[in-house]
Amino acid sequence: SQTIHQWPATLVQPVGSPLSLECTVEGTSNPNLYWYRQAAGRGLQLLFYSVGIGQISSEVPQNLSASRPQDRQFILSSKKLLLSDSGFYLCAYPPGDTGELFFGEGSRLTVL
Amino acid sequence: DQQVKQNSPSLSVQEGRISILNCDYTNSMFDYFLWYKKYPAEGPTFLISISSIKDKNEDGRFTVFLNKSAKHLSLHIVPSQPGDSAVYFCAARPAGTYKYIFGTGTRLKVLA
Repeated sequence: SQTIHQWPATLVQPVGSPLSLECTVEGTSNPNLYWYRQAAGRGLQLLFYSVGIGQISSEVPQNLSASRPQDRQFILSSKKLLLSDSGFYLCAYPPGDTGELFFGEGSRLTVL
Repeated sequence: DQQVKQNSPSLSVQEGRISILNCDYTNSMFDYFLWYKKYPAEGPTFLISISSIKDKNEDGRFTVFLNKSAKHLSLHIVPSQPGDSAVYFCAARPAGTYKYIFGTGTRLKVLA
């Protein structure tokens, strides 16, 4: 069966510290992968998506970067966190040909 | 530029009645539309979708209507149940892309 995992689930980091959020998918190969962010009182903002290893499309210029070192692994990073990076980060992939995205459990980031 | 808009941030409905959630979009290149339900601290879960070649899709208590001329999408829930209380997001995908653009969400509260 296909599953998606994110970790850590919760993270509290000081301003200026680095960040690494990881997402892995099981049960499928070469999936499209996505990072979204839900900030307080806002919708789901598409940050990055990837159609293959090493292929990253950035949707919003900001303090974050993404990498795809392996087929089923998608990493969201920052070298120096800002207060505005706080939010709920969601990884997603399309599990089949029906077109919908399936989301992971999310990672709550609080920058203090 | 918000291409997918949910102009009602919240909606309250009595149990057993119909809930109607609305979504407007600006990009005529969208060819696939989706609705998601989200509980706090969880990833969104897929509810129902519709292709731009259709104007209605039904799945149990959920029906999605698409009015392409008005660039308007709606989700009907009948009958509404207290367990339907959540934030609902509409999303759209431009034709020929892998991007999914989400709206800002509508918080539905179903009153018992």
